[in-house]
Order: sequence, then structure tokens, then C-alpha cells
Amino acid sequence: AQTVTQSQPEMSVQEAETVTLSCTYDTSESDYYLFWYKQPPSRQMILVIRQEAYKQQNATENRFSVNFQKAAKSFSLKISDSQLGDAAMYFCAYRREYGNKLVFGAGTILRVKS
Amino acid sequence: GAVVSQHPSRVICKSGTSVKIECRSLDFQATTMFWYRQFPKQSLMLMATSNEGSKATYEQGVEKDKFLINHASLTLSTLTVTSAHPEDSSFYICSAISWRSYNEQFFGPGTRLTVL
Repeated sequence: AQTVTQSQPEMSVQEAETVTLSCTYDTSESDYYLFWYKQPPSRQMILVIRQEAYKQQNATENRFSVNFQKAAKSFSLKISDSQLGDAAMYFCAYRREYGNKLVFGAGTILRVKS
Repeated sequence: GAVVSQHPSRVICKSGTSVKIECRSLDFQATTMFWYRQFPKQSLMLMATSNEGSKATYEQGVEKDKFLINHASLTLSTLTVTSAHPEDSSFYICSAISWRSYNEQFFGPGTRLTVL
């Protein structure tokens, strides 16, 4: 069974600075998808970024980028120019290529200081 | 596009009563919907997978008779918490898959259930 591990329960970053959230996963499959979701205080889950395992290029969405290391089974999220609105709980998630279930990590609470 | 709604957003009920939560895909057809439970500052726990026109598939440890799921149409799935007790108090989230978006899950805003 696949597992996703987020080893940082909480992180803090100063506004306008950069922060990296860590995620590792375990799978025996070669093709899969990885996601980062944001859950702000409203608790609405928002997709931040998606990475297909077969793509070597790291995904980027504006201030959000990932460092995908397939051999190391690592998938970290970098948030540049942090804003107060980035404060939320962030979940790393895994999905099999032909599946539809998501396997979530425990989450990391990100606090942004002004 | 790809909006999922949940109703109600909050519900308070007395112990022993049943509560129904609706999950609707507003602008797409969803053959598959998921129901999650989330405790404060914890991750989402998948409860069941709901497929239109068939019985839901429950995750291990989830009581089928306690959490009744019905996926009556391509845009509506309901979760009924039967004979609710205080330990059922939680935040319940649904999600729906849009096949047009490569099986991406779109999440509803959640329902906070409080059982007194």
C-alpha cells in the first residue's frame, strides 16, 4: 500500500520569504500522480499543484513550485514570496496512474508572519 | 467550472437522530464521489467511494450501517449519519471526479456536524 509522509507538523515563514514543505512517499509503481493541496481556515480544499511521475520537469504554478525527486520518492513544495493568504494547512497526496483514490499525508500547518 | 457544493454547511442535532448531508456537482457529471471525515488539525480520512447507480465501497473500519451513502444521480450523493452520537461529531467533506479533468478530485466546502 502507498503511504505519504509529511514530517513537518508546523512551519513558519516571514512574509515575502521562501519556504519549502517536505513530502516523501512510498510506492512500488512507476507511474502515478502527486499533488499538493491547500486547506485554508475556511477548510475548502484547493489544488495547488500537480506532478505526473513520468514527467522529469518539475511543475510550477506562479509562486508555487515542486522539487520532484523520483528515485528518492521525494516531492517538496516551494512557496516563493510568501503572502499572508498562504497561511493554511498543506497536504501532499498520491494517486495511482489509473486509480482515483487519493492518499494524503498528515499535513503541514504553514504560518505566515507579517 | 468543476464546482462541488455541500448542504448543509453546519448542522447540530441531538444524540440518536439521523442527519443527511448532500453533495452536488454543480456544473459537471460525476460518476464517482468520495466522502471524507476530518478531525481538527488532522488529515482527511477516506470513508467511502460512491459510484452512481451502485452500492458504495466503504473503507475498512467504517460502519456501513452507521454511514449510509446513496449516489442517486450523476450530480448528487448523500451521506446519512444514522443514530448519531457525540463521537460522530466531525467535519465531513465530499469530492467528485470529473472525467474531463483526468480524474482530478474537486472538493466540496465541507459540513460541520455537531451531535449533542
